[in-house]
Amino acid sequence: NAGVTQTPKFRILKIGQSMTLQCTQDMNHNYMYWYRQDPGMGLKLIYYSVGAGITDKGEVPNGYNVSRSTTEDFPLRLELAAPSQTSVYFCASSLEFGPQETQYFGPGTRLLVL
Amino acid sequence: AQSVTQPDIHITVSEGASLELRCNYSYGATPYLFWYVQSPGQGLQLLLKYFSGDTLVQGIKGFEAEFKRSQSSFNLRKPSVHWSDAAEYFCAVGTYSSASKIIFGSGTRLSIRP
Repeated sequence: NAGVTQTPKFRILKIGQSMTLQCTQDMNHNYMYWYRQDPGMGLKLIYYSVGAGITDKGEVPNGYNVSRSTTEDFPLRLELAAPSQTSVYFCASSLEFGPQETQYFGPGTRLLVL
Repeated sequence: AQSVTQPDIHITVSEGASLELRCNYSYGATPYLFWYVQSPGQGLQLLLKYFSGDTLVQGIKGFEAEFKRSQSSFNLRKPSVHWSDAAEYFCAVGTYSSASKIIFGSGTRLSIRP
């Protein structure tokens, strides 16, 4: 199993550009998450999904959109990139949904908005 | 509100020395507690977790953590560190009140002195 994979690894965007961060998991997990990690901060939840076709906002959803058309894929869309979106983005998945669940993380996408 | 505090932003220890990383949590009930490690260029990986029972928990890579309810702490320890332990370490608490069901601390960066 590859686990959770993310592409690209690194990207530079100009202000106002858009892009999609890809996330795929091959563990047949229903639950998937997008986090951002800013320097010196813990991970903040952007969006999550409890299954194909079902998504919901997390703590910091503004400026982002998601979709979940399949169990495996959970892309994150940035529209009109802003410098405040410079961060490292992690995708994660879990088998079940709850405070006791282990989440499995991808390697991250480092995004720089200039 | 639930929270996790990692008071040490950066710690440097010599290879072969012992290690203790501090974690304090705020949670009303018996917490679900986790330690994750993020190696350079990698996603977060679960080191160990505590739900109930024995307060000393063994994890992967020779790590252990001790839950102390009276001190609201869940400190991570390793008797002898290796250069490959250089990474960022995140303490986290599982919670029903967060959309992702987990709240992360801000992390402690561990450097190893040869």
